[in-house]
Amino acid sequence: DTAVSQTPKYLVTQMGNDKSIKCEQNLGHDTMYWYKQDSKKFLKIMFSYNNKELIINETVPNRFSPKSPDKAHLNLHINSLELGDSAVYFCASSQPGETYEQYFGPGTRLTVT
Amino acid sequence: QKEVEQDPGPLSVPEGAIVSLNCTYSNSAFQYFMWYRQYSRKGPELLMYTYSSGNKEDGRFTAQVDKSSKYISLFIRDSQPSDSATYLCAISKNTDKLIFGTGTRLQVFP
Repeated sequence: DTAVSQTPKYLVTQMGNDKSIKCEQNLGHDTMYWYKQDSKKFLKIMFSYNNKELIINETVPNRFSPKSPDKAHLNLHINSLELGDSAVYFCASSQPGETYEQYFGPGTRLTVT
Repeated sequence: QKEVEQDPGPLSVPEGAIVSLNCTYSNSAFQYFMWYRQYSRKGPELLMYTYSSGNKEDGRFTAQVDKSSKYISLFIRDSQPSDSATYLCAISKNTDKLIFGTGTRLQVFP
């Protein structure tokens, strides 16, 4: 069983489009995250949700909107895609206070043309 | 100044070599120090974790934290081709928000 899964794995789209990435975790964790990894492998946190509540919101354009329908799911919607949005987006989950480890999904490679 | 600095490499070593990977950080408030390993086209996975200063050993891997110098290290003994990956250091003031280094790409050749 995959602990943290993301769909789609690859996403190629044109500038100006709107797209969504979905994430699901079956670990029973309360906290989920979205990270962006650029072409130089720099991994940076974007958002964090704890039990459906937004707790970390880094300096991210408001074209990016996370949505957590329940604590096992955290989706990322991106409006008006730009070339600079091309990156690999990773979802992760953890149970702070119980364990320090964040479990990452396989990533979604987004290419904006 | 970035909160955490890491040499991106690449670092290329022969099989069996001892590998030293390092990061420096700027804020003494950081208490949690981790190393993640990321294989090509995969998500990062936790390799080592250290709280505050000191050493931690797990098989061929040793993590060291020197809080006085704000310096963290990962040593890999008897390196194997299967160790070829990108190694990311991560620091945190709590266990929630991780700040990652840029990652060091390691290649171990047979």
